Amino acid sequence: DTEVTQTPKHLVMGMTNKKSLKCEQHMGHRAMYWYKQKAKKPPELMFVYSYEKLSINESVPSRFSPECPNSSLLNLHLHALQPEDSALYLCASSQQDRYGYTFGSGTRLTVV
Amino acid sequence: AQSVTQLDSQVPVFEEAPVELRCNYSSSVSVYLFWYVQYPNQGLQLLLKYLSGSTLVKGINGFEAEFNKSQTSFHLRKPSVHISDTAEYFCAVSVVGNEKLTFGTGTRLTIIP
Repeated sequence: DTEVTQTPKHLVMGMTNKKSLKCEQHMGHRAMYWYKQKAKKPPELMFVYSYEKLSINESVPSRFSPECPNSSLLNLHLHALQPEDSALYLCASSQQDRYGYTFGSGTRLTVV
Repeated sequence: AQSVTQLDSQVPVFEEAPVELRCNYSSSVSVYLFWYVQYPNQGLQLLLKYLSGSTLVKGINGFEAEFNKSQTSFHLRKPSVHISDTAEYFCAVSVVGNEKLTFGTGTRLTIIP
């Protein structure tokens, strides 16, 4: 299995909703990442988990809450989002910095 | 801190013509360099990477890139493009020993039939 699987592929949520994005990999990678990508822009790093511990938080608002239940799973809990949070949310994993990342196909989030 | 510059936001190329997508980086320490491709409504796929050694790196789909330390460049090339190469291409850099990957602003490659 050489893939990163993200669910759901599309999500529409209201500003008062609570939802979660899920990411799964079975490649034994030690690090997992959440990126946010706005249209026609590069991905922006949000969080990094290394060996299931949060190692980098790029000053992301608290309405985004990451969770790493085990070495294969990464969740992003969403609460009280704003319309400007609408974007493609990408999950990635890597074994080591030198190997590059494997990205999932993303969750297209729309906040209404 | 490291940074990446992709000077060309859009590159139109005729089908079967060669293409070069430019990437320059800035870092005071050793780096790893990557090129990723993103097709519409998809995630990013690794095309190739430079870690060390030979400065000419070959990747998937017929792409190659050349690392030039003196010019701090890592340009991507393909000798003959196809319609299927239409996509957004991102150059990225990571500092050796650091997990964070920094992306350039991307270059949209459009193939003209």
